[in-house]
Amino acid sequence: AQSVTQLDSQVPVFEEAPVELRCNYSSSVSVYLFWYVQYPNQGLQLLLKYLSGSTLVKGINGFEAEFNKSQTSFHLRKPSVHISDTAEYFCAVTLHSGGYQKVTFGIGTKLQVIP
Amino acid sequence: ETGVTQSPTHLIKTRGQQVTLRCSSQSGHNTVSWYQQALGQGPQFIFQYYREEENGRGNFPPRFSGLQFPNYSSELNVNALELDDSALYLCASSAEGKNTEAFFGQGTRLTVV
Repeated sequence: AQSVTQLDSQVPVFEEAPVELRCNYSSSVSVYLFWYVQYPNQGLQLLLKYLSGSTLVKGINGFEAEFNKSQTSFHLRKPSVHISDTAEYFCAVTLHSGGYQKVTFGIGTKLQVIP
Repeated sequence: ETGVTQSPTHLIKTRGQQVTLRCSSQSGHNTVSWYQQALGQGPQFIFQYYREEENGRGNFPPRFSGLQFPNYSSELNVNALELDDSALYLCASSAEGKNTEAFFGQGTRLTVV
């Protein structure tokens, strides 16, 4: 079975400060890793994904994440946040099993950018 | 905008009733998944349909059922609604293959009273 742990339920940060949202996963097989963002009353939007190759992945809106296999982590970072980054962020792993693709999400981290 | 549309956007139902939620997939996508997102939680996988057949299911009871049509649009049906079924229901479509991204709709907010 696979699981995703997002260590912080809420992260307040001042505008233009850096931020890191933490994600750890567990799986007995290789998985694909994703970060999604959810704005209020909206669906999920893909920020970035790691499938293979370079462990540093760059996404939209200036976000990046680093896959660390030994620590089973996929932390999301941004060097300087904006008010518009206030949203909920979900880390997810995808496992292909029995011919279908199942996405397992973390509980989410609410990023609150303070002016 | 992802091209995945869900209807209705909001819905209020009474406990014990039945509900049908609809999803129109992005053009070219033959796989659709449904997720339940309770308040304060991450989305939970309900099931996935591929070419009109259910090919994967999460830990949800049989009163959660679905359909996928030849045009790859989909329905989620929930019978005998319970208060705990109140949640945001998300539909995601993807193309065939292992490395494909899932595109999510904006969801249907279901409230059971």
